[in-house]
Amino acid sequence: GIQVEQSPPDLILQEGANSTLRCNFSDSVNNLQWFHQNPWGQLINLFYIPSGTKQNGRLSATTVATERYSLLYISSSQTTDSGVYFCAVRRNYGGATNKLIFGTGTLLAVQP
Amino acid sequence: NAGVTQTPKFRILKIGQSMTLQCTQDMNHNYMYWYRQDPGMGLKLIYYSVGAGITDKGEVPNGYNVSRSTTEDFPLRLELAAPSQTSVYFCASSYSGQGARYTEAFFGQGTRLTVV
Repeated sequence: GIQVEQSPPDLILQEGANSTLRCNFSDSVNNLQWFHQNPWGQLINLFYIPSGTKQNGRLSATTVATERYSLLYISSSQTTDSGVYFCAVRRNYGGATNKLIFGTGTLLAVQP
Repeated sequence: NAGVTQTPKFRILKIGQSMTLQCTQDMNHNYMYWYRQDPGMGLKLIYYSVGAGITDKGEVPNGYNVSRSTTEDFPLRLELAAPSQTSVYFCASSYSGQGARYTEAFFGQGTRLTVV
């Protein structure tokens, strides 16, 4: 099946710092999402971004589907950004297009 | 809008007991999913459904059963609970069809299950 690797696995930032999270996937995809899992366990949709670039406030994301990676940028980080960031992908062909597969996650801690 | 609703939020089961985790969505999505998340780990797909009456296995289906009799509901059944099934369970839904090949998936708030 498709492999989805995220880096770095852990990240500690001081409040106000910027960061880039990466999601690499091993096969062609037609669907990519970024989620934030907050410390209470809720999964919050950040971006639906199978290709191109999107921005939402301090967060932005870029997916380069032909090179099989996506980046999530967090600028001017705040303590409320802490939690785990997941990317999830759907393979581009065959029966596996029905499955949404999650990456390994990046644990982010933003310190005041 | 309610979105994806899961019940219960918490449950403690004894080994060998059975239970059903309920999931309902009000977005008229045809795709629905069940995931489990073990402590400190990512989400693993248990089962999914592409429409009423159609279900298929994900990455970790053993010990679970599902049914999809309506578009709105996708219950997950544990027949003989084992300690290895202690986890947080998430239900999700999305849409695929003409004009919107695959839309983003939305998740419920999760069910925290402990088997003792």
